[in-house]
Amino acid sequence: GIQVEQSPPDLILQEGANSTLRCNFSDSVNNLQWFHQNPWGQLINLFYIPSGTKQNGRLSATTVVTERYSLLYISSSQTTDSGVYFCAVEDYNNDMRFGAGTRLTVKP
Amino acid sequence: EPEVTQTPSHQVTQMGQEVILRCVPISNHLYFYWYRQILGQKVEFLVSFYNNEISEKSEIFDDQFSVERPDGSNFTLKIRSTKLEDSAMYFCASRPTGLGEQYFGPGTRLTVT
Repeated sequence: GIQVEQSPPDLILQEGANSTLRCNFSDSVNNLQWFHQNPWGQLINLFYIPSGTKQNGRLSATTVVTERYSLLYISSSQTTDSGVYFCAVEDYNNDMRFGAGTRLTVKP
Repeated sequence: EPEVTQTPSHQVTQMGQEVILRCVPISNHLYFYWYRQILGQKVEFLVSFYNNEISEKSEIFDDQFSVERPDGSNFTLKIRSTKLEDSAMYFCASRPTGLGEQYFGPGTRLTVT
């Protein structure tokens, strides 16, 4: 099945800093989503982005299908951005697979 | 904005007991999914469901698991005889077609003692 790798596994930032999270995938995909898992364990959908670029406030994401990666940008990070960020991809067999996540800690 | 709901938010059960986790997908959605996340690990696909039957299932989804759409709104996951290793967060998801964004519920935390 499709492999999903996220980097870095852990990231510690000072409040106000910018960050880039990366998701590499091993095969063609027809769906890619970024999630933020909050302290209560809920998966908050950030972006549905099988290709192209999207922006939502301080967050933006880009997926480059030809090179099989996606990037999540967080600008002017806040303590409430802390948590685990997951990338999930779906191949043409409609199997959705999650990466292991990036744990982000934003310090005040 | 419509959303997927799940009940209960937390369920505690004893080993060997049966549990039913409930999900109400978004009303015009036709494709339904269950995922599992053991504490500290990645989210794993369990099963997909369409037109009242299982479309796909993972190797995790063995004979102790079953899914059902008992009426026009609920989608349930039953674990027949729970084991300690079934302790996890269970997420339900839905979408209107077989492609595109999946909408996730808030999850049910299952604790097996």
